[in-house]
Amino acid sequence: NAGVTQTPKFQVLKTGQSMTLQCAQDMNHEYMSWYRQDPGMGLRLIHYSVGAGITDQGEVPNGYNVSRSTTEDFPLRLLSAAPSQTSVYFCASSYPEADEQFFGPGTRLTVL
Amino acid sequence: SQKIEQNSEALNIQEGKTATLTCNYTNYSPAYLQWYRQDPGRGPVFLLLIRENEKEKRKERLKVTFDTTLKQSLFHITASQPADSATYLCALEGGYNKLIFGAGTRLAVHP
Repeated sequence: NAGVTQTPKFQVLKTGQSMTLQCAQDMNHEYMSWYRQDPGMGLRLIHYSVGAGITDQGEVPNGYNVSRSTTEDFPLRLLSAAPSQTSVYFCASSYPEADEQFFGPGTRLTVL
Repeated sequence: SQKIEQNSEALNIQEGKTATLTCNYTNYSPAYLQWYRQDPGRGPVFLLLIRENEKEKRKERLKVTFDTTLKQSLFHITASQPADSATYLCALEGGYNKLIFGAGTRLAVHP
């Protein structure tokens, strides 16, 4: 099993550009989440999904869109990048009521 | 809203000693609390979960306690090794498998 994979590993954008961060898992997990991690702060939940076709907002959803058309994939879209979105982004997946979340390796995004 | 506090200062200890990390929360008691390890440039890795009706959980050299009266969890690593050096994150259940994370405490174990 590859676990949770994320692409790209690094990305530099200019303000106003759009892009999609990819996340895939091969563990048949129903739950998937996107977090951002900033220096000195805990991981903050952006969006999450409890199954294909179902998504909901987390703590910091503004400026991001998600969709979940399959169990395996959960892409995160930045519609118009802003410098405040410079961060490290982590995708995670788990079974419902699971003991643990499995995290991907992260995408380091810089917005100039 | 729920707030989680972990020591922002790094914890430096000598190899072989016990490291103790603290996680305090402010509001409702969560159904469970988790601890993760994060190495630089990597995603968090799950270590232990403790539920609200459990006082203590152990796994090899790791021990977690959960005091719902004090609203605190303690994370212990006994016989610490330099390989234990990492940032340790506390996370509380926030419903629907959502987790609320603390900022983490960096542990440095010196030979």
